Amino acid sequence: GAVVSQHPSWVICKSGTSVKIECRSLDFQATTMFWYRQFPKQSLMLMATSNEGSKATYEQGVEKDKFLINHASLTLSTLTVTSAHPEDSSFYICSAPTRGASGQETQYFGPGTRLLVL
Amino acid sequence: AQTVTQSQPEMSVQEAETVTLSCTYDTSESDYYLFWYKQPPSRQMILVIRQEAYKQQNATENRFSVNFQKAAKSFSLKISDSQLGDAAMYFCAYKGSGNTPLVFGKGTRLSVIA
Repeated sequence: GAVVSQHPSWVICKSGTSVKIECRSLDFQATTMFWYRQFPKQSLMLMATSNEGSKATYEQGVEKDKFLINHASLTLSTLTVTSAHPEDSSFYICSAPTRGASGQETQYFGPGTRLLVL
Repeated sequence: AQTVTQSQPEMSVQEAETVTLSCTYDTSESDYYLFWYKQPPSRQMILVIRQEAYKQQNATENRFSVNFQKAAKSFSLKISDSQLGDAAMYFCAYKGSGNTPLVFGKGTRLSVIA
């Protein structure tokens, strides 16, 4: 199946610093990617939709100036958590939609990034 | 807005037995997709099975099958011959038409007892 990678898988940073997370579709092009956040023992919550060549669209309650999204190419989207604080500590997951050989639509997920802000 | 409800926070099953995980959803769309994803302790989301709403036939993938009741907006997952490796969080998800994101249920934690 299709592969989506994320980097880094783990990051620990000090409060006030910025952290960049990369999401890459390795064997297909993705004009759209999605960023989710998952707190412990909870479900995935959509943060934003990343669109190649245009601005991201953010879900209600997600600060666009804090969570900067850049979709610079058809295979790369980045999420930058600016001036991170302990409450931003979470598991961040990206996904990219694609169609298989039979035309079936699905979404593949990256392995996620664990962010811990001290 | 679409919603997905998983009413079973936790389930358990004996190894080699069968278990069914429930999922209901709400939508006014006619064209959509439904998914079950598995999230093991590694937290990697793994696609288990997919169902297109326009297909009447229930999807099957080896030991995994669904019972899709479109009128009732129900989409349950049956796992046959349960294995220890099936233990994980299972999320039911809805996707509308076009380049839209998944809407997830709260998940069901499945334990498999040896």
